Amino acid sequence: DAMVIQNPRYQVTQFGKPVTLSCSQTLNHNVMYWYQQKSSQAPKLLFHYYDKDFNNEADTPDNFQSRRPNTSFCFLDIRSPGLGDAAMYLCATSSLFEGTVLGLYEQYFGPGTRLTVT
Amino acid sequence: LAKTTQPISMDSYEGQEVNITCSHNNIATNDYITWYQQFPSQGPRFIIQGYKTKVTNEVASLFIPADRKSSTLSLPRVSLSDTAVYYCLVGELDDKIIFGKGTRLHILP
Repeated sequence: DAMVIQNPRYQVTQFGKPVTLSCSQTLNHNVMYWYQQKSSQAPKLLFHYYDKDFNNEADTPDNFQSRRPNTSFCFLDIRSPGLGDAAMYLCATSSLFEGTVLGLYEQYFGPGTRLTVT
Repeated sequence: LAKTTQPISMDSYEGQEVNITCSHNNIATNDYITWYQQFPSQGPRFIIQGYKTKVTNEVASLFIPADRKSSTLSLPRVSLSDTAVYYCLVGELDDKIIFGKGTRLHILP
């Protein structure tokens, strides 16, 4: 089944130790998103890619970086994790084709990676 | 992106129909209304999307009045497994999604 895959599902890192979270998709969608979701809060958009075009949210800290080497993969790098970065990180994809041609725009979310910072 | 307002939480019982209303007074002409469902420790899941009047799929119905300043998500005959957070979002079809606080729906036996 076409889907959005996130690895690992659970990640533990030490304070200040760089960590990379990965996302892959088999949907061939041109848009990929990264969200941060803290406990009992709504998902917060960090950044997204339209194809290779990177779009950073104004309030996303510089500590968070992203890479999209190809259509299928997207990575979230946290350069120096702090205790406040402990959260669920959600990857999502969508298709501009669906939005502009089919009149339907749906984001497909992965299961998330829960990051713990010790 | 239009701001949305929804109840913070709702309780209902199994077998009941649940209606969650979302206010979006500043909705723009090109904006669509979309609802997502999120279970604990999972990513949100698309439920339904509409522009005006009524949309129905196998999961829910979405009612949108003529002025489009509000919308109502209707879940028929809920079960315990419908306990989740429901997010109402308003924006153009290719807009990035900004989540509001959502409604925590708790289904009781």
